[in-house]
Amino acid sequence: EAGVTQFPSHSVIEKGQTVTLRCDPISGHDNLYWYRRVMGKEIKFLLHFVKESKQDESGMPNNRFLAERTGGTYSTLKVQPAELEDSGVYFCASSRHTGELFFGEGSRLTVL
Amino acid sequence: GNSVTQMEGPVTLSEEAFLTINCTYTATGYPSLFWYVQYPGEGLQLLLKATKADDKGSNKGFEATYRKETTSFHLEKGSVQVSDSAVYFCALSVAGRRALTFGSGTRLQVQP
Repeated sequence: EAGVTQFPSHSVIEKGQTVTLRCDPISGHDNLYWYRRVMGKEIKFLLHFVKESKQDESGMPNNRFLAERTGGTYSTLKVQPAELEDSGVYFCASSRHTGELFFGEGSRLTVL
Repeated sequence: GNSVTQMEGPVTLSEEAFLTINCTYTATGYPSLFWYVQYPGEGLQLLLKATKADDKGSNKGFEATYRKETTSFHLEKGSVQVSDSAVYFCALSVAGRRALTFGSGTRLQVQP
């Protein structure tokens, strides 16, 4: 069974540009989460999807971040326009209803 | 609010040394506690967990005991191996909210 996959593994962009990160959860996992780790600090929750619905988006930092999960399968996280402080590693995780979270390897974003 | 504090790294040990990584928490409600590990080039993996006071989670020689009186969940291993080199994250979740609250991570380097 394939794990959680994230793309790209590393993205380098200029301030003001747009980046879209993608997460493919484990097949059959209705729950999908986005987290990020900035500057080696703690990993912070961004949002939680149940199928295609946003269950909890309390961690989204501002309206430059847009997450979607059309069709309840893969998810995208768009940052537009990117700022320097958005640099970090963005993790995606998926789970069954009450089960363990399985994390992807993360997408490293560098904003110059 | 909820927060997790863990010792800063890096922690550098020789093979077969004893390991302790401290973790304390604050939580609204009765949390479940977790240790996650991220090996180089991989995603976060659940290492062990405990869901109630005095429970001991264990896996791969690692142990942690849920101490409600000291709000702690310290990770220990009696004899570390080079293959244990990784970043370790302490985390909690509270009932009714699926999001995890993570600590800042502790990098462990084990030298042969």
